[in-house]
Amino acid sequence: DAGITQSPRYKITETGRQVTLMCHQTWSHSYMFWYRQDLGHGLRLIYYSAAADITDKGEVPDGYVVSRSKTENFPLTLESATRSQTSVYFCASSGDRGLTYEQYFGPGTRLTVT
Amino acid sequence: TQLLEQSPQFLSIQEGENLTVYCNSSSVFSSLQWYRQEPGEGPVLLVTVVTGGEVKKLKRLTFQFGDARKDSSLHITAAQPGDTGLYLCAGVDYGQNFVFGPGTRLSVLP
Repeated sequence: DAGITQSPRYKITETGRQVTLMCHQTWSHSYMFWYRQDLGHGLRLIYYSAAADITDKGEVPDGYVVSRSKTENFPLTLESATRSQTSVYFCASSGDRGLTYEQYFGPGTRLTVT
Repeated sequence: TQLLEQSPQFLSIQEGENLTVYCNSSSVFSSLQWYRQEPGEGPVLLVTVVTGGEVKKLKRLTFQFGDARKDSSLHITAAQPGDTGLYLCAGVDYGQNFVFGPGTRLSVLP
């Protein structure tokens, strides 16, 4: 199906473990984004990518790693998970609108770090 | 760092009432967007406004971009329970920095 998908939808992991969240979009959008959403903080940008092999930090990048070898995929890796990374993670994509960056969001991944 | 503020933070109203929520900043934005997010789902884009003073209507929803391009409002007429959700504004400044506001959580009671 066309659109943007995230996997897994739910994940429980232990402190110190590495975990990767997957994001896939079928629109061939150039831009892709990773956000975390926490009560009291709203949506905060972790990393974004303007094209394959081009990534840049957002507001809260520490503890996260991204890669983008293909336009359609934008995985987010927590190298050594901490309890403070318990959150809901949203991936989004945007076409080359330049001025507006209208974003289309995936359904989210709820991550719990114990 | 530009910030977007939204008010009110929470709003609970009866079905059929009208309401307005606000999105404000001290910064100038090239465009502003409004999203609605339902529990357990990602935000869904409602509208983008790009011209100062612009008004857009989407059925019972009316969106306005301030003349100075620093603020926006969302007015809902005759609210329905299906309007319940978190309303987020988001802005892009002229440096192409993108930021979300904290949201207004709306509850429409039948």
